Amino acid sequence: NAGVTQTPKFQVLKTGQSMTLQCAQDMNHEYMSWYRQDPGMGLRLIHYSVGAGITDQGEVPNGYNVSRSTTEDFPLRLLSAAPSQTSVYFCASSYSLTGGTEAFFGQGTRLTVV
Amino acid sequence: KNEVEQSPQNLTAQEGEFITINCSYSVGISALHWLQQHPGGGIVSLFMLSSGKKKHGRLIATINIQEKHSSLHITASHPRDSAVYICAPSYGGSQGNLIFGKGTKLSVKP
Repeated sequence: NAGVTQTPKFQVLKTGQSMTLQCAQDMNHEYMSWYRQDPGMGLRLIHYSVGAGITDQGEVPNGYNVSRSTTEDFPLRLLSAAPSQTSVYFCASSYSLTGGTEAFFGQGTRLTVV
Repeated sequence: KNEVEQSPQNLTAQEGEFITINCSYSVGISALHWLQQHPGGGIVSLFMLSSGKKKHGRLIATINIQEKHSSLHITASHPRDSAVYICAPSYGGSQGNLIFGKGTKLSVKP
């Protein structure tokens, strides 16, 4: 039972570099989301998707792009990394958007931008 | 604005003590999640509840919808319970479904 698989676990980028954080789930969940976790703050929503081909912005979308070509995969792209994007990133999935179902999280990606 | 307040922010307990972590939220919700995060680790869902009380082993979660308040209790605490506990109400709707508290860092000493 893989659940939510998130890669890589750690990454160091130079300012201006681009990269993609991968997220895959094998539970056939429609709802997937990306969050960032910063010290002293709760997790904040970056982007989310309610199904293949459908994505929308969350609270802090600037500097990030997403796509959802399949139900299983929801990659997060940093187009031009900035030190302000240093954070821990979590991907999550759940069966529905209404919140009445359990949420599953990946193991997190600790990103440092220098 | 939907707000989530957790208390305490930090909690140190001796092994065997009864632990209570509180969560208050500002508007009506469809459900509330309690999550656990070990240092350097991922996030694990402990409970999802929309009313009443749920129990899983030594963990108990309660919610009072009218008072917009939830509590997480740990009975007979153990050092392996040391982690950050996060309350996350779900408001549903089109802007994503979870709002997260800042977490309560629990340390249980042997």
